[in-house]
Parts: sequence; structure tokens; C-alpha cells
Amino acid sequence: SQELEQSPQSLIVQEGKNLTINCTSSKTLYGLYWYKQKYGEGLIFLMMLQKGGEEKSHEKITAKLDEKKQQSSLHITASQPSHAGIYLCGADDTGTASKLTFGTGTRLQVTL
Amino acid sequence: DADVTQTPRNRITKTGKRIMLECSQTKGHDRMYWYRQDPGLGLRLIYYSFDVKDINKGEISDGYSVSRQAQAKFSLSLESAIPNQTALYFCATSDQGPQPQHFGDGTRLSIL
Repeated sequence: SQELEQSPQSLIVQEGKNLTINCTSSKTLYGLYWYKQKYGEGLIFLMMLQKGGEEKSHEKITAKLDEKKQQSSLHITASQPSHAGIYLCGADDTGTASKLTFGTGTRLQVTL
Repeated sequence: DADVTQTPRNRITKTGKRIMLECSQTKGHDRMYWYRQDPGLGLRLIYYSFDVKDINKGEISDGYSVSRQAQAKFSLSLESAIPNQTALYFCATSDQGPQPQHFGDGTRLSIL
């Protein structure tokens, strides 16, 4: 079965600093979905990646899927308190997105 | 109004009670999902449905049942609740194909 490992598990950064979160799969990824969760709330969809080498950006968040399609990274530039939360990656290993397997999440705190 | 609505938002109940969590959506999606989230374990899939006549078990279906009453409604039942079913439960919907899932705000369930 699909296994997803996220690193780091938690992260504390000072406002204005850059940071990277990684999501590594035990299988080839047909699709990789990044979500953000505010503590105790629902998941908000950020970005979807499907092609090896694909990179997408939204505001100050950039996500990339590596060429071998087994790892994705999420990079935040000039972090702000609004970026705080839990970031989860979800993997599609079938190509149909019929089911997603989620990582355990990375908890991000941004200090002033 | 939210596209994916879960009721109740919070529930405290006792061991052995029957509980139903409800999910309704206005997105017009065919696919609906139920997950539970536990600290350190991420999101785990309980059941999913691709249309009204389709119900599939997920990773952790034991102790749970579901009903897809209509395209827009998908309910999760715990027939006889036990304390280790205490968790945050999420409903999600998606369109067909490799499309992102959209989540409700969750139901926090505590079983004493």
C-alpha cells in the first residue's frame, strides 16, 4: 500500500523566513495534492501536481513534484503568521484519484 | 453557505450509543468520502462512494457503516460507539477523475 512520509513533522520559523516541507512516497505518484489545515478545522486545497518536474505557485507558496514522481516539496517564501497551520500531502497512486493516501502532516508555527 | 456541510460539529456521547454523522454537499460532485483524523496518524479513509448505488470500504471500516441517501448526502454511523472512535471526522467530495477533494469543517466526536 501507499506510504507517505512528511518531513519535518513540525517547524517553527520566524516571520519573514523561508521554509520547505517535503512529502516522500514509497510508490510512483500519479497525483500529489497539498492541503492546509487550521488547527481543528477542515482542509483547504492548495495545489495539485501530476507531471514529473511540474511546479505550481500560489501567492508565496510553491509546490513541486520531482522528475521521478516520488517526492514533492512545498516552499513558502517570506513566511507570515497567516501561513501557520498543518500542511498535509495526499497521494494518488492509481491515476484516477479514486482514493488518496495522506501523510501525517507538518505543523508550522510562525513567530513574530 | 459552505459547499460541504457536516452536522453536528461537536458531539459527546457514551460508550454503546448509536451515532450518526451527516454530510451534505452543494457542489454537485458524485464522489463522497468519510475520513477520521487522529493525532500522529493523519487522515484515514473509512468509506467512500462514487454514486448513490456505490459504497466501498476504506482503510478502517470496522465499526462503521454508511448510507448514501442521495447524490448530495452521505451519512456515517457508529452502531455501538467505543472510546477509541474518539476522533475528528471529515467528509469530503470530489468530481470524477484526478480532481482535488473538498472537505467539510469536521465533526469532533468524543466517546466517554
